[in-house]
Amino acid sequence: KNEVEQSPQNLTAQEGEFITINCSYSVGISALHWLQQHPGGGIVSLFMLSSGKKKHGRLIATINIQEKHSSLHITASHPRDSAVYICAVYSNTGNQFYFGTGTSLTVIP
Amino acid sequence: SAVISQKPSRDICQRGTSLTIQCQVDSQVTMMFWYRQQPGQSLTLIATANQGSEATYESGFVIDKFPISRPNLTFSTLTVSNMSPEDSSIYLCSVQTLDWEDTEAFFGQGTRLTVV
Repeated sequence: KNEVEQSPQNLTAQEGEFITINCSYSVGISALHWLQQHPGGGIVSLFMLSSGKKKHGRLIATINIQEKHSSLHITASHPRDSAVYICAVYSNTGNQFYFGTGTSLTVIP
Repeated sequence: SAVISQKPSRDICQRGTSLTIQCQVDSQVTMMFWYRQQPGQSLTLIATANQGSEATYESGFVIDKFPISRPNLTFSTLTVSNMSPEDSSIYLCSVQTLDWEDTEAFFGQGTRLTVV
């Protein structure tokens, strides 16, 4: 069993739709990260959070530490949001990152 | 934060050859990390590159196959040796910085390797 599970694996949405990607983890963590991977392979960090909720523009990330669950929401989705979104956690016991397999998002105009 | 420049961004290589990937960071960092991402898979840590000492390899990865250099605190290379089609992956270098009590990760642009 992977330490980080994401759902869905693939997601296709119409432009303007509200999108939710879910992440569950099984290890103790100090922080959870949402990453965006572009088609070329490069990865950009979107959020780092250890409690509550953060918002950057149309992106919102929430985390529930007790339930070991996080969600990434995209409001008013746009084709330029098309990418792979990866959930990663930093384990405070193993001092290492664990990565989900990613959610491939395609937003259709 | 840290800005990482990784090259090449992609390459197509013949089996049996080797490819060296370079990673340059805009600030001095103690540890640099090399990851592999096979198609449809999550990132897997290959090794941690330490300046002034040998790299630390994860289970399943060996120095003969993935030699790493770390000549200073801003630069590292990963070589994929004697390549086979199974080595076709995205390879990423990464650094981690401490932001208050949280560890944040930064990644290079990735090297998409195809072995034919």
